[in-house]
Amino acid sequence: EVQLMESGGGLVQPGGSLRLSCVASGVTFSNYAMTWVRQAPGKGLEWVSSINAGGGSTYYADSVKGRFTISRDNSKNTLYLQMNSLRAEDTASYYCATWELDAFNIWGQGTMVTVS
Amino acid sequence: QSVLTQPPSVSGAPGQRVTISCTGRSSNIGAGYDVNWYQQLPGTAPKLLIYGNSNRPSGVPDRFSGSRSGTSASLAITGVQAADEADYYCQSYDSRLFGWVFGGGTKLTVL
Repeated sequence: EVQLMESGGGLVQPGGSLRLSCVASGVTFSNYAMTWVRQAPGKGLEWVSSINAGGGSTYYADSVKGRFTISRDNSKNTLYLQMNSLRAEDTASYYCATWELDAFNIWGQGTMVTVS
Repeated sequence: QSVLTQPPSVSGAPGQRVTISCTGRSSNIGAGYDVNWYQQLPGTAPKLLIYGNSNRPSGVPDRFSGSRSGTSASLAITGVQAADEADYYCQSYDSRLFGWVFGGGTKLTVL
């Protein structure tokens, strides 16, 4: 069974940094493109960033471009999101998901980031 | 203001057919990009419900169906059940924004 487990969320001050991790199990991680999606409390879903299977191509929403960096370590089955210059509006639950068939297929349970 | 427009809420009695609309524009749905739908049960992560406009992942009941026409898409749920109470989101790619976009979400209430 494919499972994704996010970690690294927490409380951080405005202007601070945080690195999220997403560990995959039950899947050949290196075969999958991956993505991060966030959801502010009581709000809808927002695409944040995506990366292809090999890690050579990355994509960002305008709201995080220049502040967030997506990366992956296929030897560790792990996806990362380095978040710098955090703002109050970055407060959200952050989900990682597999990017397959032009859709976000398997999702993790999410990790909460609070900027305050 | 979401790029894709969904009604904030819909409701239906058990057993009825419910539809949720998703309206885009020429840079996303109207450009031919596929629409996906996600179901988010209360307190849980989203789940892929429909991909490629009308395809169901393994395990999704055939009570759920999707379609796309012009700049819009819709999700239909036939024989709605109490267990279907959730938030539903449409998603597509936008060539003007160079990224994925979601609708604002629709809360389904089963009466």
